[in-house]
Amino acid sequence: DIQMTQSPSSLSASVGDRVTITCRASQSISRYLNWYQQKSGKAPKVLIYATSNLQSGVPSRFSGSGSGTDFTLTISNLQPEDFATYYCQQSYNPLKGSFGQGTNLEIK
Amino acid sequence: EVQLVESGGGLVQPGGSLRLSCSVSGLSFSTYSMYWVRQAPGRGLEYVSGISDNGGSTYYADSMKGRFTISRDNSRNTLYLQMSSLRPEDTAVYYCVKIAAFAGYYYYIDVWGKGTTVTVSS
Repeated sequence: DIQMTQSPSSLSASVGDRVTITCRASQSISRYLNWYQQKSGKAPKVLIYATSNLQSGVPSRFSGSGSGTDFTLTISNLQPEDFATYYCQQSYNPLKGSFGQGTNLEIK
Repeated sequence: EVQLVESGGGLVQPGGSLRLSCSVSGLSFSTYSMYWVRQAPGRGLEYVSGISDNGGSTYYADSMKGRFTISRDNSRNTLYLQMSSLRPEDTAVYYCVKIAAFAGYYYYIDVWGKGTTVTVSS
């Protein structure tokens, strides 16, 4: 199975900051990497799919990059509504898409 | 509007069984692959199982292999997860999710149900 490792596990930042979350796969997954946001008590929602494609309705301050084993999610100009938990997910095997352990983004 | 509605969760004793259902509406169910994803209390998301659009291919996380069985009835627009030999560590919210495909081969989850809670405890 492909293992996904996110870092950091938690992150404190202020409104207006730029933050980066990284995700590493245990083997090359090309660009088969998605990012999700989950707010407390809610189901997750997709932010970015296929490494860098923004889901409809997601603000452009979210961006993704990477390929192979190393990927990043960048949030520019943090807004209050961005404080949440973020997960990466590989879809190299489309029916066995494992997740990273999550990154909890908190207000400093 | 696309809706995924899970049911069948509840309290079950260790070693017991439970069948989860997910009723799907608002889309052509038979044309989409589906997953089950779970989230234990205070923990992250965990892939459980996936099934192809026609049910011909199924996959499981290693820790569920042999204990869980995913299936679907495209005539009833329903996804299932049969769980047996349940353990306390299987306690979680179980989400039914729909898989979208970008450019035909980049898969991602674009719709989530609200989840159904499974508690394994004596």
